Amino acid sequence: DAGITQSPRHKVTETGTPVTLRCHQTENHRYMYWYRQDPGHGLRLIHYSYGVKDTDKGEVSDGYSVSRSKTEDFLLTLESATSSQTSVYFCAISESISNEQFFGPGTRLTVL
Amino acid sequence: LAKTTQPISMDSYEGQEVNITCSHNNIATNDYITWYQQFPSQGPRFIIQGYKTKVTNEVASLFIPADRKSSTLSLPRVSLSDTAVYYCLVGTTGTASKLTFGTGTRLQVTL
Repeated sequence: DAGITQSPRHKVTETGTPVTLRCHQTENHRYMYWYRQDPGHGLRLIHYSYGVKDTDKGEVSDGYSVSRSKTEDFLLTLESATSSQTSVYFCAISESISNEQFFGPGTRLTVL
Repeated sequence: LAKTTQPISMDSYEGQEVNITCSHNNIATNDYITWYQQFPSQGPRFIIQGYKTKVTNEVASLFIPADRKSSTLSLPRVSLSDTAVYYCLVGTTGTASKLTFGTGTRLQVTL
């Protein structure tokens, strides 16, 4: 399996609190992605990165910010968590934009 | 965005061939099609990718007609372990911001 980890794996937080999820890779892949997965919606892209300090928005970016200060780490931040952000979050990596993506194990986030 | 549509679920018996179709009517010239498999509590896993005509690997085949408005994932002789959710993804070489996953097809394989 590709060297990709996510932390934390599970988190319960309260509405209005900031939350940061971390994705870490050991593959030196250029592209990193954050998705959310909800019943009935499949996987939806939140943000992605195409290099250190280079990021762009996906389909459902509102309420989320990202940062990538090192090749191996991609952080997803919810500045003020809302109940609608309760979801399973997956990180993925790929060598190029059209190469296969390798997914992490996911983070289950519950916002009460 | 190239919206994708897949059947919600499919059932099959072990040993049969299964074909899952994904519709992507708005696919653009530079878009490619990728299929992923996902088991419960795991991240999706790559199965196959194609741009046009037919692609085959050790686990599946991908058929893409000339108009590319749909694609069909073919799984030969499925087993119980193929029970999973299958997603098609349409992506473009220009930007990742337009990556669009389908809502997935839940395949249930029984004896």
